[in-house]
Amino acid sequence: RKEVEQDPGPFNVPEGATVAFNCTYSNSASQSFFWYRQDCRKEPKLLMSVYSSGNEDGRFTAQLNRASQYISLLIRDSKLSDSATYLCVVNPRNQGGKLIFGQGTELSVKP
Amino acid sequence: SQTIHQWPATLVQPVGSPLSLECTVEGTSNPNLYWYRQAAGRGLQLLFYSVGIGQISSEVPQNLSASRPQDRQFILSSKKLLLSDSGFYLCAWSQTGGSINQPQHFGDGTRLSIL
Repeated sequence: RKEVEQDPGPFNVPEGATVAFNCTYSNSASQSFFWYRQDCRKEPKLLMSVYSSGNEDGRFTAQLNRASQYISLLIRDSKLSDSATYLCVVNPRNQGGKLIFGQGTELSVKP
Repeated sequence: SQTIHQWPATLVQPVGSPLSLECTVEGTSNPNLYWYRQAAGRGLQLLFYSVGIGQISSEVPQNLSASRPQDRQFILSSKKLLLSDSGFYLCAWSQTGGSINQPQHFGDGTRLSIL
């Protein structure tokens, strides 16, 4: 089983749609979680951290369920510029700051 | 503010040639440093990470090596490149200590093609 699993997509949605990405992780001792965004042929960029109580940043909402070892990202009112690959990232405990990256979920927002 | 520089941006090398990719971080001290590789259409694979000068941890057996000669400098090297070394190489840094929520921040990457 992969340490971090995501649906690779692609998710093809119209502008204005709401889209949700899911991610599961295998290490129950994982202690911090992030969503990154990667545009084609570019470096990954931090989108948001994921906190236990859930957190929101504009149109983006991240949720964490430690019991189910599940992380989600919700994007409301999708924009064309949201088209990218979204990477679920987990920081396992006691591994020197290492991050484990999921394979990514590709999103394509169409006009 | 902190910045990370990685070069070159693109590189075309013949099989069997040596490699040296350099990464430097500015605006912070004693960062954790990382080298990743991303093959076409694949996820990020952690190659090496370093928590301090001269301290290198290798994640995947391969013909690559890393060195950290200075606090904010991280170098990825190979004596003889293989075709399978082609990919997108990314350097990243993160803060040490403090909050457990320590995201990593990436350089622009080096696109390496082996011919």
